[in-house]
Amino acid sequence: ETGVTQTPRHLVMGMTNKKSLKCEQHLGHNAMYWYKQSAKKPLELMFVYNFKEQTENNSVPSRFSPECPNSSHLFLHLHTLQPEDSALYLCASSQDVRDRAFQGYTFGSGTRLTVV
Amino acid sequence: RKEVEQDPGPFNVPEGATVAFNCTYSNSASQSFFWYRQDCRKEPKLLMSVYSSGNEDGRFTAQLNRASQYISLLIRDSKLSDSATYLCVVSPNDYKLSFGAGTTVTVRA
Repeated sequence: ETGVTQTPRHLVMGMTNKKSLKCEQHLGHNAMYWYKQSAKKPLELMFVYNFKEQTENNSVPSRFSPECPNSSHLFLHLHTLQPEDSALYLCASSQDVRDRAFQGYTFGSGTRLTVV
Repeated sequence: RKEVEQDPGPFNVPEGATVAFNCTYSNSASQSFFWYRQDCRKEPKLLMSVYSSGNEDGRFTAQLNRASQYISLLIRDSKLSDSATYLCVVSPNDYKLSFGAGTTVTVRA
């Protein structure tokens, strides 16, 4: 496999459920990111990991919990979400956190999350 | 003021037409600029970087105007497959990327 792979593609969950989103990249990149994309809004950066260490958390509610066991894998653990959390969640990677400013990102295909 | 602003459109154009749209950015110290393309219900994909002198990639031409703090994208000889949302992305510093909300282009037969 190549590029950035996200699973599942679609997820419907109740507000009391616990679920996890998975992202895997095969590009040899060292930085990985979670973004939230809501309709008609700009992408919102949630978390940044560089060499497995979290370097940014943009005031994301604690019901979203990231995990980065190695440079190739990134998870987003979800619990007690709200309907307004329904959105497209995108994973991205870049060579490192600085490289994104010069080369941009490679995005995964996203997980479309619906909270009911 | 938003970091990156785009006209949401939609821009509806016939096949073969030329369509152009701009994006403005607020941070005058921004160094890197990109256009991404996002198809409906898909992920954004890098279309092209924008260089100071302007650059072209096939039917796509990007321009940067630092004085007025905007970048533009022009699509010549539009194809049906050009229908998408085009995201303007600006790097205000070495460690950040800011996204616009996108401009939707619809090319009709």
